[in-house]
Amino acid sequence: AQSVTQLDSQVPVFEEAPVELRCNYSSSVSVYLFWYVQYPNQGLQLLLKYLSGSTLVESINGFEAEFNKSQTSFHLRKPSVHISDTAEYFCAVSDSSGNTGKLIFGQGTTLQVKP
Amino acid sequence: NAGVTQTPKFRVLKTGQSMTLLCAQDMNHEYMYWYRQDPGMGLRLIHYSVGEGTTAKGEVPDGYNVSRLKKQNFLLGLESAAPSQTSVYFCASSYLLRDTLPYNEQFFGPGTRLTVL
Repeated sequence: AQSVTQLDSQVPVFEEAPVELRCNYSSSVSVYLFWYVQYPNQGLQLLLKYLSGSTLVESINGFEAEFNKSQTSFHLRKPSVHISDTAEYFCAVSDSSGNTGKLIFGQGTTLQVKP
Repeated sequence: NAGVTQTPKFRVLKTGQSMTLLCAQDMNHEYMYWYRQDPGMGLRLIHYSVGEGTTAKGEVPDGYNVSRLKKQNFLLGLESAAPSQTSVYFCASSYLLRDTLPYNEQFFGPGTRLTVL
């Protein structure tokens, strides 16, 4: 069975510092990987996705994630965070067990950016 | 386009009461999902639908029922609410997987915060 593990439940960081949010997955087949962001009192929004090709994917607001097949990881990074990046971040993997469009989510990581 | 909308945004119930949460999407998506979000537990899938008239159980279906009578709507029902069902409920939708779009990006509603006393 597929699963996703986000290794940190909370990550506090000061503004303009770099950050890494860790995500590991388990799957015996090729997968599609996603990072979603949830700002306070809102629904989830897609931040970026890995489908195939280049292992480094970027979002429009400066985040990037690197797919590492050998380590089954898809860590999210940003070189310099802003207060506005404070949110909960979810890593997800596509469920390959059937044609259902289901996603398997990690437990979430709360990024707290301090001034 | 409104995307995915959820009604109501907030609700307080007493134990044993019933209610229905409505999810609507205007993107002509085939797939729809209901999740609950609890602190430290991420998102857990309650029920989902792969098309009009079809529903299936997810990870935590007990105590909930769903219906998808129209393609654009997905209803989540609680027949007899319990305090354990206090949570934030999210609806999501996704397009039909096909060769040209084999990956499933889900689009989420703003959520319904439900408290059961």
